[in-house]
Amino acid sequence: DTGVSQDPRHKITKRGQNVTFRCDPISEHNRLYWYRQTLGQGPEFLTYFQNEAQLEKSRLLSDRFSAERPKGSFSTLEIQRTEQGDSAMYLCASKASGGASTTDTQYFGPGTRLTVL
Amino acid sequence: AQSVTQLGSHVSVSEGALVLLRCNYSSSVPPYLFWYVQYPNQGLQLLLKYTTGATLVKGINGFEAEFKKSETSFHLTKPSAHMSDAAEYFCAVSDNGNNRLAFGKGNQVVVIP
Repeated sequence: DTGVSQDPRHKITKRGQNVTFRCDPISEHNRLYWYRQTLGQGPEFLTYFQNEAQLEKSRLLSDRFSAERPKGSFSTLEIQRTEQGDSAMYLCASKASGGASTTDTQYFGPGTRLTVL
Repeated sequence: AQSVTQLGSHVSVSEGALVLLRCNYSSSVPPYLFWYVQYPNQGLQLLLKYTTGATLVKGINGFEAEFKKSETSFHLTKPSAHMSDAAEYFCAVSDNGNNRLAFGKGNQVVVIP
């Protein structure tokens, strides 16, 4: 169990550019979650996957945001035409759901800090 | 929808004194409740959780919390603060642990020597 990993840890981009973040969950975890955390706030839910299926999306996830988990393992979160308001920490979490390995705890990665200039 | 209220964004406590962080939740179904800790530039680490059963739960680093349904509360305590407890603490609620977590705004804890 190597934990949840995220790449990159930091990203600085100019307004209008596209960025993509990657999350690798704990290997046996079939659920994967994305959250966004702005300065001085708690994390806010964006979306989650059960295997490769995206089951829920928050209203925070505008049309410029897209998330994928094509093979039910790692996930990517893409932001198109970035805006300064997108500057935040993007957190990924995973958990096991269903079967003998079900847990009730989401395990978080270290996050990707995005700065949009 | 679930929600969490954490009052007092910054909490100062003297080293060796009691740490008390308050969390009140709103949920239409029996809640699952969590406390996470976040150190600078890091992700969230689980301190403790309540799902079912015993209402007093013990976590890592000497922290504990008590679920009080009548008060819709899940306050976090530690008898004696250490310098290493300086961090941000988040209370979170979910419906059955399977879906989204709803977090409070967090408490930034400062430990005074």
